[in-house]
Amino acid sequence: EPEVTQTPSHQVTQMGQEVILRCVPISNHLYFYWYRQILGQKVEFLVSFYNNEISEKSEIFDDQFSVERPDGSNFTLKIRSTKLEDSAMYFCASSEEDNRQGSPLHFGNGTRLTVT
Amino acid sequence: TQLLEQSPQFLSIQEGENLTVYCNSSSVFSSLQWYRQEPGEGPVLLVTVVTGGEVKKLKRLTFQFGDARKDSSLHITAAQTGDTGLYLCAGVGNRDDKIIFGKGTRLHILP
Repeated sequence: EPEVTQTPSHQVTQMGQEVILRCVPISNHLYFYWYRQILGQKVEFLVSFYNNEISEKSEIFDDQFSVERPDGSNFTLKIRSTKLEDSAMYFCASSEEDNRQGSPLHFGNGTRLTVT
Repeated sequence: TQLLEQSPQFLSIQEGENLTVYCNSSSVFSSLQWYRQEPGEGPVLLVTVVTGGEVKKLKRLTFQFGDARKDSSLHITAAQTGDTGLYLCAGVGNRDDKIIFGKGTRLHILP
């Protein structure tokens, strides 16, 4: 069964450094998402992406965050200058249709980001 | 702000027992999804419920969407150790289409 893949599985970085988290969504899916889950907390929506542009973003997704689909397969999340509170598990997800219309999310296994 | 409250937060029961976990809100949702998340992995969709009062069955799991589309329950019959995991509900807001997740119920089935 096709799956969403994320790399790396674990990233350790120093405060203030830039990180890029990478995702390969399922190939025939049109909608892409980033979520994060701080340890012990709930899964939080960051951003959704459709037709090569951001369709929705949350308050968490400030100017330090950006997303890109540099080619036909990858979907990346960049954090420009990491802060300690950015430490979390970051999940990429994709869906065939808009999840807001009920199309299910398919999640990757996440990247655990640790900011020291 | 819409919130999804899941209860209980933690549940540890013996294999073979039945259990019900809940997902409640004061807000109306246009649809609600249940996911299961295992350690080190992303959430995996179990079911989507859309219509008020809808009941869906997935083997030993029964999902119900409340009549008013504000709450949902997941009932597991004869729990097995393989049911162990974090069960998350996620609702799509009726007014603003925003998707929010509950904090989850961590279920541990003892052999």
